[in-house]
Amino acid sequence: QKEVEQDPGPLSVPEGAIVSLNCTYSNSAFQYFMWYRQYSRKGPELLMYTYSSGNKEDGRFTAQVDKSSKYISLFIRDSQPSDSATYLCAMSAGGSYIPTFGRGTSLIVHP
Amino acid sequence: EADIYQTPRYLVIGTGKKITLECSQTMGHDKMYWYQQDPGMELHLIHYSYGVNSTEKGDLSSESTVSRIRTEHFPLTLESARPSHTSQYLCASSETGDINQPQHFGDGTRLSIL
Repeated sequence: QKEVEQDPGPLSVPEGAIVSLNCTYSNSAFQYFMWYRQYSRKGPELLMYTYSSGNKEDGRFTAQVDKSSKYISLFIRDSQPSDSATYLCAMSAGGSYIPTFGRGTSLIVHP
Repeated sequence: EADIYQTPRYLVIGTGKKITLECSQTMGHDKMYWYQQDPGMELHLIHYSYGVNSTEKGDLSSESTVSRIRTEHFPLTLESARPSHTSQYLCASSETGDINQPQHFGDGTRLSIL
C-alpha cells in the first residue's frame, strides 16, 4: 500500500461546478499538507499549504485536513476552464523536508 | 512567484552522451531537490541538497550525479544517457525555517534519449 493514495481521474466537470479533490494517507506522522497545480508541460505550482488539521481558504480554493481519518481535500468553487490541470497532493512529517507526493488527479472543466 | 529556472526545457539526444541539466534559483533557498516525473506517476526523488557541499541520493537510483558548489545552482549530470532515462526532470527548492517549508518547482526539462 502506498503512503499517499490519489485517484488519477480524469475528473470532468462543467464550468461553475464545485470540485472536490481528495487524498488519503497511511502515515500518522504527516503534519504538513500541500496541494499543487500542474499544467501540461509546466512544473507544479504551490496552491495551498496547511499544517495539522482544519480548513484553509484562499479565494475559490479551500483545503481541508482531517487527521483522524487521514484524509485531505481540496475544494474549488465556481470552477473555470482555466482550472483544468493535474492536482497533486503532498505531505510531510515534522523534521522531514522531503514530502511524499500523490500521483495527481487530472481535472477537466468544460465550458 | 518562485524564481527557479531549468535549462534546457527540452532535449533530444542519442544514447551514450553525457548530459547536464541546469537548475538555478534566485531566492537564496538552502534546500534543493531533483525529481523524475513520468506521466500519471508520482514524483520520484533522485537527489537533494541541504546546502553548499551537501548532496544526498533519493529513493530512485537514476545513475546520475549532482553537485552543490553555490547556493543558487544545483546541476544534474547523466554520464552516459540511456533510453530508460527518458522522462521529465523537475528541480525544486525550499527555504529553511522553524517548520517545514513547501517546495517550489521549476518548469522541468523534458528529456528524450534515442
